[in-house]
Amino acid sequence: DAGVIQSPRHEVTEMGQEVTLRCKPISGHNSLFWYRQTMMRGLELLIYFNNNVPIDDSGMPEDRFSAKMPNASFSTLKIQPSEPRDSAVYFCASSMDSVGYTGELFFGEGSRLTVL
Amino acid sequence: DAKTTQPPSMDCAEGRAANLPCNHSTISGNEYVYWYRQIHSQGPQYIIHGLKNNETNEMASLIITEDRKSSTLILPHATLRDTAVYYCIAWPWEGSSNTGKLIFGQGTTLQVKP
Repeated sequence: DAGVIQSPRHEVTEMGQEVTLRCKPISGHNSLFWYRQTMMRGLELLIYFNNNVPIDDSGMPEDRFSAKMPNASFSTLKIQPSEPRDSAVYFCASSMDSVGYTGELFFGEGSRLTVL
Repeated sequence: DAKTTQPPSMDCAEGRAANLPCNHSTISGNEYVYWYRQIHSQGPQYIIHGLKNNETNEMASLIITEDRKSSTLILPHATLRDTAVYYCIAWPWEGSSNTGKLIFGQGTTLQVKP
């Protein structure tokens, strides 16, 4: 099992550029979560999907952020235009929603974004 | 979702048991207590969870008080690799769906010392 796969692992970009972060959840999982982590704010839930449908995006900071899940094996988090305050580590996690399952979230290694 | 309270930091000697407390006095009847940990610069890792009974797995034990207002995560023989931030989270889980958002607080930074 390859686990949750995120790309890129590191991204350095300039203010105003578009950033796209990618996530491949664990095969068979039907829930996907995007988190952002900074020293100041800790781990923040941005959005989560269930069966490819966005369920709660109340954590998305503003309209510059958008997330999609076109199919069960792929999700993107896009920032356009990026700003220095978006610098953070972005984590993707997946889980299985089903009877008898533990509710455990499996996290990827994260994408470290630096906006200059 | 119930708010949890944890001490910001703790130390533990290598080889000794690490006992990490968590207060969740407003926990609801359908909220499980979950523990995750995050080793520096890695994604959070699930440790254990429970509803009202004590639980044990290969990583740790979870002791939940009878009134469910607090719990303790026990690492029986802490090693240097257990140095991490430990998060205690109260999360509703109905057994068939996630009925809420898994919200991380500030956690407890556990430093295991040689």
